[in-house]
Amino acid sequence: DGGITQSPKYLFRKEGQNVTLSCEQNLNHDAMYWYRQDPGQGLRLIYYSQIVNDFQKGDIAEGYSVSREKKESFPLTVTSAQKNPTAFYLCASSSRTRNQETQYFGPGTRLLVL
Amino acid sequence: AQSVTQLDSHVSVSEGTPVLLRCNYSSSYSPSLFWYVQHPNKGLQLLLKYTSAATLVKGINGFEAEFKKSETSFHLTKPSAHMSDAAEYFCVVSDQGSYIPTFGRGTSLIVHP
Repeated sequence: DGGITQSPKYLFRKEGQNVTLSCEQNLNHDAMYWYRQDPGQGLRLIYYSQIVNDFQKGDIAEGYSVSREKKESFPLTVTSAQKNPTAFYLCASSSRTRNQETQYFGPGTRLLVL
Repeated sequence: AQSVTQLDSHVSVSEGTPVLLRCNYSSSYSPSLFWYVQHPNKGLQLLLKYTSAATLVKGINGFEAEFKKSETSFHLTKPSAHMSDAAEYFCVVSDQGSYIPTFGRGTSLIVHP
């Protein structure tokens, strides 16, 4: 059953703590993305990766870090430098098909601050 | 440069009446256009996509959208709303070859019984 999985579904962070959100895909897609969603603001791009061992900052990368050691995996770390991390985080992937870049999304992780 | 504007933040309809969600776009190259739906606390699901084939695109759950280049629009329609259609809808544009699509801010569809 192909798709994108994100875990955990809910995550709680304490002050000064780093937390890591998992994203795994078995669609054999080259590109992967992390978005942050806040109420009324749509989706904002945090980081994206076009290929293994390479990634680029998106519009709101400050306070976040990523790695892309495997094609299937693109974990996101929310560091203590991110002062307002409470949000819904969405991971997506896309293939390098000609003339279209359809993104497929995971079910999301909701991050809450204790 | 690419951009997308969803003209309504909220749309309210009665069950069984038509749905119209409006989207205008700007693109430097031949765009791909998408509509996604998001139910509460869920990921985004692809409804339909336009990639320079037929201008009238049919999607899942009875939705369709028409690409109008002269009006730079890609409005989403459905003849008859169901209660299960209540959700957030996102219009997305992507220039040819671009890895970074641009999302609209979303339209919340409310369906009254």
